[in-house]
This record gives sequence, C-alpha cells and structure tokens, in this order.
Amino acid sequence: SAVISQKPSRDICQRGTSLTIQCQVDSQVTMMFWYRQQPGQSLTLIATANQGSEATYESGFVIDKFPISRPNLTFSTLTVSNMSPEDSSIYLCSVEAGQSYEQYFGPGTRLTVT
Amino acid sequence: AQSVTQPDIHITVSEGASLELRCNYSYGATPYLFWYVQSPGQGLQLLLKYFSGDTLVQGIKGFEAEFKRSQSSFNLRKPSVHWSDAAEYFCAVGYSGYALNFGKGTSLLVTP
Repeated sequence: SAVISQKPSRDICQRGTSLTIQCQVDSQVTMMFWYRQQPGQSLTLIATANQGSEATYESGFVIDKFPISRPNLTFSTLTVSNMSPEDSSIYLCSVEAGQSYEQYFGPGTRLTVT
Repeated sequence: AQSVTQPDIHITVSEGASLELRCNYSYGATPYLFWYVQSPGQGLQLLLKYFSGDTLVQGIKGFEAEFKRSQSSFNLRKPSVHWSDAAEYFCAVGYSGYALNFGKGTSLLVTP
C-alpha cells in the first residue's frame, strides 16, 4: 500500500497568482498522477509524472499552466500558474503501488481562486 | 475510444432498500475495474476492485460488485443501504501503469 500526503490541504488564492501543491508518498513509486476535480464533477487526469523525465500532459492541459516537478521517487509538485476562478478545483495526486495494480489517492488540495 | 459510463447521475433509495449502481466500459482488452466512494468534503475511498478471477468481488462497507464480460459492466450492489452510504460513487477503469479513467459519478441520496 501507499500513504500519500498533500500540502496544502486547502487554499484561497487571488486571480493571477500561482500555487504549488506538494505530494509526498511514503514509498518509492515510479509513476505519479495528477488529477483535477472541478466542483460537482468527476476526476480528470492532468498529467503523468515519471521520475527523471518530463511529465506527460493530457489534452487540454499544458506545461506552462501546470508545471510539474518530480525530483525523486517519493515526491512531486504541481503548480497552478496564473490562476483564474476556473481553476477552483480539488487537485489530487495518486500513485500505483504494491504488487497488484492499485492506485492510491492523496486527500486532495481544495483550491479556491477569487 | 476508451470510455467509462455511469448512466445514473442521481439515485434515491430508502434506507434499508437494496442498491445497484451501474457502470459500463468500452475498452479493447478487459481492464482493471474499481469503485470509489467520496463523501462530501472527503477524499476518495476505494470500495473494491476487480483484476481477474471470481467475477463477484466483495468490498468494504458491505458492498459487492459483479463483473460481466459479455456486457462490459461492473455494477456495484448493496443489499441494505444505510443513511451513511449517501455519497458520490465513481467507477474507474484502467490498465497497470496508466492513470485511471473515471466515470462521471453517481450521487446517492438515502431517504428515511
């Protein structure tokens, strides 16, 4: 199994600013995923982050807006840049861990942009 | 294209009644299948998963799900719903090494 923590748990930010979200895993994992959950919606994949390589972004998400770092096998950050109210969402990181395919999710970061 | 469909956006059941939430998928090869629950303001909790083997899987909180290959379905069931089961339920599908593809979710309301 894997235990994931995220910081901050929530934040209220002003339009035009940036926020960096941290994701820490208690074990080494190859792949980390970042999702967005807009209010009342399902989860949408933003990008996949492998250690030692550039993140792979899904359609509709770009590196300039959502830069991701993956400096080691237990840590990743997602930055939401030049925020607008439309970025108000819950951002979740997840990992695949264990001998069987299972994805574990962090508690999420609830972002409100005013 | 790969897709996950939860046909019911909202479902209302009486406490003590049985529950079935539907999930259909469209994938080339049989993927791994999951059900998650999200209570208001809470994170995602894994209810159960199917990788292979017995097509009826048991999960936490008294939930079970049945995989039907011929129907490309993975429906979630509970024989007797409790008020605390009111939440958003997500079906998710994927392959090892890839992110999960989530359905749009079903919101469950439990009435007295």
